[in-house]
Formats: sequence, structure tokens, C-alpha cells
Amino acid sequence: KAGVTQTPRYLIKTRGQQVTLSCSPISGHRSVSWYQQTPGQGLQFLFEYFSETQRNKGNFPGRFSGRQFSNSRSEMNVSTLELGDSALYLCASSPATSRNTEAFFGQGTRLTVV
Amino acid sequence: AQSVAQPEDQVNVAEGNPLTVKCTYSVSGNPFWYVQYPNRGLQFLLKYITGDNLVKGSYGFEAEFNKSQTSFHLKKPSALVSDSALYFCAVRDTSGTYKYIFGTGTRLKVLA
Repeated sequence: KAGVTQTPRYLIKTRGQQVTLSCSPISGHRSVSWYQQTPGQGLQFLFEYFSETQRNKGNFPGRFSGRQFSNSRSEMNVSTLELGDSALYLCASSPATSRNTEAFFGQGTRLTVV
Repeated sequence: AQSVAQPEDQVNVAEGNPLTVKCTYSVSGNPFWYVQYPNRGLQFLLKYITGDNLVKGSYGFEAEFNKSQTSFHLKKPSALVSDSALYFCAVRDTSGTYKYIFGTGTRLKVLA
């Protein structure tokens, strides 16, 4: 069974640009969550999608958005990039979301904003 | 505030010795442990559901759950050099979102 695939693995963007990151979850998983990992803030929840609907959103500005397609693949978009958006962005998939459900993480997309 | 605490930024242990990585939390939910190797995502190690307070997980790891102290310490009887990595304790927030709340991570260094 293929794991969670995130593309691209590495990105370098300039301040003010926008970027789209992609995540293909494990087949059959309907829940996709996104997390931002930085040395200063650690792992922070961005949002979660389930069956094409955003169910939850973390405390991030509106420049961060996402969507999920009917095949459960998800994209995350960041507009008007700032230097502080440099981070490892992790996607996690699970069959559903409950207090006991473990998530399966992709290798992440390393975004560098210059 | 809901939080997950990993009090040690780094733990050093000699190969073959037992290891413990500590986690306490003030989040309503069940705790999990994940491991991250360099330039990789997070890998699930184990989780507490209900029942035995000693949970067995992947790669010989286990975790001790203490309800009164809301702690979930990660343990391994005999550390390997290959266990060197970044370990995260996390709790699913059951207040509505089921998002993970992560600790700050503990870097484990196993010395040969």
C-alpha cells in the first residue's frame, strides 16, 4: 500500500509569491490534515479536510488555504508569501478522525521563502 | 491552556541502556508517540486507548500511561544507535477538532 505522497519535496519562493503544495493520501483515507513545522513554533495544525469539506482550521491567517478533491487528494495554497512562512509542511492522512485514530504522515514539503 | 509538555529537549543514552522520553499533557484526549528521522515525516510509534497502562509499540518501544499524572512516557529496554531521532508526543484534541496537539519534541541521541 503506497504511503502519503507530498509534492514537491523542496521549494524556494520569493516573498510576495504564492505557492501550492500537493498531498495524495493513502488509498481509502478520507481525512487529510496539514501541519506546519518550524524550529520556533514546532508542529502547528493548519486545517483538516474530510470528504472535500474543510472541517477544522487552525490559527493561521487567511493567506493559508486548502482544498480537497473527490479522490481525497488535497492541495494547500499560501498567497503573498512571507519570510516566516519558511517551514516544513506536513500532510497527514487517516481513514477517519477520532480520538484514537493514528495519522500517517508524508515526508513533507520544505518551503524556503527568500 | 491545552498543552503537551516534553520537558527535555535532548536525551542522551548509551547503546544497550534503557531509555525514557517524558511526556505530560493537559489536553482532553488520548496520547500518541511519533518519531521523525532527518528530512522525513512523522512515523507512528504507539498510542494509548484503554486497558493496560503499558502499551507496546513498533521497534521495541513501549509507553507507560499514568492517568492521574496525565503522563505517557516513552520507554525502550535497550537503546540502539538507530533509535537516534526526534520524538514527538501528541494528543488528539477531543474538544471538537480532533487535531493533534504536539509537544515540542525530544531529540534522542544514542551513543555507541
